[in-house]
Amino acid sequence: TQLLEQSPQFLSIQEGENLTVYCNSSSVFSSLQWYRQEPGEGPVLLVTVVTGGEVKKLKRLTFQFGDARKDSSLHITAAQPGDTGLYLCAGVNAGGTSYGKLTFGQGTILTVHP
Amino acid sequence: SAVISQKPSRDICQRGTSLTIQCQVDSQVTMMFWYRQQPGQSLTLIATANQGSEATYESGFVIDKFPISRPNLTFSTLTVSNMSPEDSSIYLCSVDQGWYQETQYFGPGTRLLVL
Repeated sequence: TQLLEQSPQFLSIQEGENLTVYCNSSSVFSSLQWYRQEPGEGPVLLVTVVTGGEVKKLKRLTFQFGDARKDSSLHITAAQPGDTGLYLCAGVNAGGTSYGKLTFGQGTILTVHP
Repeated sequence: SAVISQKPSRDICQRGTSLTIQCQVDSQVTMMFWYRQQPGQSLTLIATANQGSEATYESGFVIDKFPISRPNLTFSTLTVSNMSPEDSSIYLCSVDQGWYQETQYFGPGTRLLVL
């Protein structure tokens, strides 16, 4: 079974601060996805990273996939109250009977205070 | 991207009863997934539903408790049978689009409370 360790579990910061969320695994994933979920909604895909070492930027969000495709990070610059939500990383399983399925991290609840 | 709707959006049920959750997609998709999520926590995959074949269940989930139907490429149902308070959770369906990046799109979820 492939596992994704996501940290931190909770993050409470002031508007304008920077933050980083980490996802780590001992397993290789064919790709890794980051989702954001607001209360009462399903998770919404933010980005998919596919290539080892890949860096993607989405406005104030920077996503990185580790060289070995076992870990990823999400960095938010100058956080805003609108960034508040549950952030989930999810690895796409690379092979075996779980090929193509998503393995989710535990999630990070981010609260940005005005 | 696929647009997914779920019915009901929420329900309160009595212990021992069953609830069927519907998932409708606005386009034909091959793979549909059912997840369970405690509020503020991560998602746990219950089963994968493919049209024309039996659903594939993950460890800890069985067909008698969570029967799934997939009558066509745009629709699926998940039934939570003989419910107990431990089944109180958010149930989400998702669909897989894309041959390369296995992008999944999620429905809004069904919030279930079992008394």
